[in-house]
Amino acid sequence: AQKVTQAQTEISVVEKEDVTLDCVYETRDTTYYLFWYKQPPSGELVFLIRRNSFDEQNEISGRYSWNFQKSTSSFNFTITASQVVDSAVYFCALTLLTGGFKTIFGAGTRLFVKA
Amino acid sequence: ETGVTQSPTHLIKTRGQQVTLRCSSQSGHNTVSWYQQALGQGPQFIFQYYREEENGRGNFPPRFSGLQFPNYSSELNVNALELDDSALYLCASSPAHGAREELFFGEGSRLTVL
Repeated sequence: AQKVTQAQTEISVVEKEDVTLDCVYETRDTTYYLFWYKQPPSGELVFLIRRNSFDEQNEISGRYSWNFQKSTSSFNFTITASQVVDSAVYFCALTLLTGGFKTIFGAGTRLFVKA
Repeated sequence: ETGVTQSPTHLIKTRGQQVTLRCSSQSGHNTVSWYQQALGQGPQFIFQYYREEENGRGNFPPRFSGLQFPNYSSELNVNALELDDSALYLCASSPAHGAREELFFGEGSRLTVL
């Protein structure tokens, strides 16, 4: 069975704190893609990053960084020096090559960044 | 460049009725997917359309059906509405047909079934 688990339902931090959002996935497929999306309080989901199953290189984009570890089936997302504008719901997602490129989303982590 | 647009934004139906939701994909995007997002949950995949044909379906009953038109726009139809169908319905388009493609989402149609 394919599944994405985001164990943290809500996280609250104070501005400038670092925060890590956890994502664990399950699949028996050897080839797949992992994504993170951001859903602001009033707005559509926005793509943040994509990773394929063969690329375990970590990535940094400004204050955002992602750590992909295939051995633990995790794809964690860290925000450094968080800002109020980072407040949103963040979704981790898994897309398989079988079954019509179905994308499976986790339940999301709601991040509150307080000033 | 126009993004993904959905209509209507909000609607209220009663149990047993039928509803049609519409989606215009982002310019140049040939693949459209539909998702159901219940309150406090992640989006659940309903189905995907490519070249006007359904290409992949999630665990939704046949009363959920769809169409894709030659201009890549799409409709989601739900028959015999049930209370549990109350949710935000999201349309997403992607620039090509493939697992690596990121999804570009609309703001959704919020359906309330009474």
